[in-house]
Amino acid sequence: GQSLEQPSEVTAVEGAIVQINCTYQTSGFYGLSWYQQHDGGAPTFLSYNGLDGLEETGRFSSFLSRSDSYGYLLLQELQMKDSASYFCALQGNNFNKFYFGSGTKLNVKP
Amino acid sequence: NAGVTQTPKFRILKIGQSMTLQCAQDMNHNYMYWYRQDPGMGLKLIYYSVGAGITDKGEVPNGYNVSRSTTEYFPLRLELAAPSQTSVYFCASSYPLRPGLAGGQFNEQFFGPGTRLTVL
Repeated sequence: GQSLEQPSEVTAVEGAIVQINCTYQTSGFYGLSWYQQHDGGAPTFLSYNGLDGLEETGRFSSFLSRSDSYGYLLLQELQMKDSASYFCALQGNNFNKFYFGSGTKLNVKP
Repeated sequence: NAGVTQTPKFRILKIGQSMTLQCAQDMNHNYMYWYRQDPGMGLKLIYYSVGAGITDKGEVPNGYNVSRSTTEYFPLRLELAAPSQTSVYFCASSYPLRPGLAGGQFNEQFFGPGTRLTVL
């Protein structure tokens, strides 16, 4: 089976950098995705790591280490609009199936 | 492009009733998915489809049925609604997935706005 763990809530200050961690247990997977979801909204795609290492997309970066069963999402230059929930999702051995973590609620304060 | 659209936005059902949640996409995506999201939780895959006429079960398929007769539409049917099916339902679509690549271009799912369903 697949299981993912994320911190339930993180608070940071506008302009700061925050890292949201995701640890997982899996019998095998193809990649790790990150999605953002504002309250009452639909998830939107942020990043995908199919290989170990860092992927950078503007203010967001994502990292994967298969040997450590660990990934993270890094948000730089935090803005108030970044207040949202962030989900990591494993792309399982049947690569059409994604397994989501319970999400991390990020609170950005002025 | 409207992207992924879902109807209805909200629905209240009585126990034992049935309904169909509608999902449509205009991006010509082959792959489509149905997820449910319970309060404070992540998404769980109910069913998915890799093309017209091809569907398969996800993590939590019990109590649901799907069909895919065209590329654009992927309705989700609830038979004999139960309180445990109270949730927010999201439909998503994507290009054919290409796992293992470094970047996300072929592994992004596009989500609809969701249907909030309450079963009383």
